[in-house]
This record gives sequence, C-alpha cells and structure tokens, in this order.
Amino acid sequence: DTAVSQTPKYLVTQMGNDKSIKCEQNLGHDTMYWYKQDSKKFLKIMFSYNNKELIINETVPNRFSPKSPDKAHLNLHINSLELGDSAVYFCASSSGGTYSPLHFGNGTRLTVT
Amino acid sequence: GENVEQHPSTLSVQEGDSAVIKCTYSDSASNYFPWYKQELGKGPQLIIDIRSNVGEKKDQRIAVTLNKTAKHFSLHITETQPEDSAVYFCAASMGGSQGNLIFGKGTKLSVKP
Repeated sequence: DTAVSQTPKYLVTQMGNDKSIKCEQNLGHDTMYWYKQDSKKFLKIMFSYNNKELIINETVPNRFSPKSPDKAHLNLHINSLELGDSAVYFCASSSGGTYSPLHFGNGTRLTVT
Repeated sequence: GENVEQHPSTLSVQEGDSAVIKCTYSDSASNYFPWYKQELGKGPQLIIDIRSNVGEKKDQRIAVTLNKTAKHFSLHITETQPEDSAVYFCAASMGGSQGNLIFGKGTKLSVKP
C-alpha cells in the first residue's frame, strides 16, 4: 500500500564505512529525488532522477552516489561515511513538471558514530 | 542564492484559534508554492499548494494566499485541533528547474487542548 518506501528506517554505522539506502515508489511516477534533513529540520535537495536519468545534482560530496536501476527505484550509496553525514534522508517522487507535488517516504535516520 | 524565509519558527495556539505561517521567497521565477506537514517520525506530506497565477486557495480549514509582487505567501489554519500539531514547511519552486523545491526552515505548531 505504501506509495514511497525506503529501507532501512534506521541506520547506525561507524565513520569510514560504506552504506546504502534503498527507495521504491509504486505511484508510477517518472521522477524521484533524494532530500537531506539536518538536525535543525532543514530540508535540502540532493539529487533528482527522471526516467533513470540524473536531472539535478546539487553540491553534494562525490562520496554520495545515486543509482536508478529503473524508474520505480532510486538508491543512495554513501562511501567513507563521516560524522557530518548524520541526518534523515528522504526519498520522494513526483510525476514531473513544475506543478507536480512531491510524495515523500518516511525517511532513513542515519547516525554515524 | 535563492532562498525561502519562514516565520515563525515555533507557534503555540489554543484549540479553536487560528494559526498563520508566513514565507517570503527570493526567486522571481518561482511559480509553484506547496505547503507540507511533517509529523514526528514521518516524511513531509503535501497539505495544499498554489500556483503563481492564483491569489488564494482554500481547502476546508486550510487556506493559502500568495502576493507575487511582494514575493510572500501564507498558510492559514482555522479552528485548529490538537491533531494539527506538527512541523509545517513552505516551499517555492526554483525557476525553470522541474521539481527542485527550496524549503523554508519549518514552523513547529503546537495546538493546546
């Protein structure tokens, strides 16, 4: 039933490790996104994919690499994790276009120790 | 760069009162302004949105107004209920960039019974 689902919900790991977060949407949307929400609740776009093609790539360290195997999935892989990467990461999707609302998943809380 | 200012950061009202949250944006090309509600442990959910060619939109107890000349828009919630308690985010589209929303920093609304 869940429209945008991401796994895992919680991720606790040590500095230097590599981890992945998975996202799937069953809304039939063409566009998917990754947003980062910091400890002050500030939401900032990281990446956007349209039909498996990278559209938006904000200033994000190249340790972060998104991968879209098909238009229903957008995964986020993070290499060499740092303390500052601790945040909640949200996947979202939309049908694309300026007036298309975003549908968010429930987030993955990443804690780097 | 483009940004969205949101005020107040916290708002406490008595049940039944009205709540108003205000946002200003800097990008003249912004033409889409959604509002999201985020409950604890969940992703932001769209509650109402407005396009730049409309001055006001209402959906039951929620209304949004837009003043393009002044570059500000507001969320109005009437007859507030305890279940309205959440963090509310305004957002503005970045001109010419599909789906790239700039979010305000959020308003934590508490409705006291």
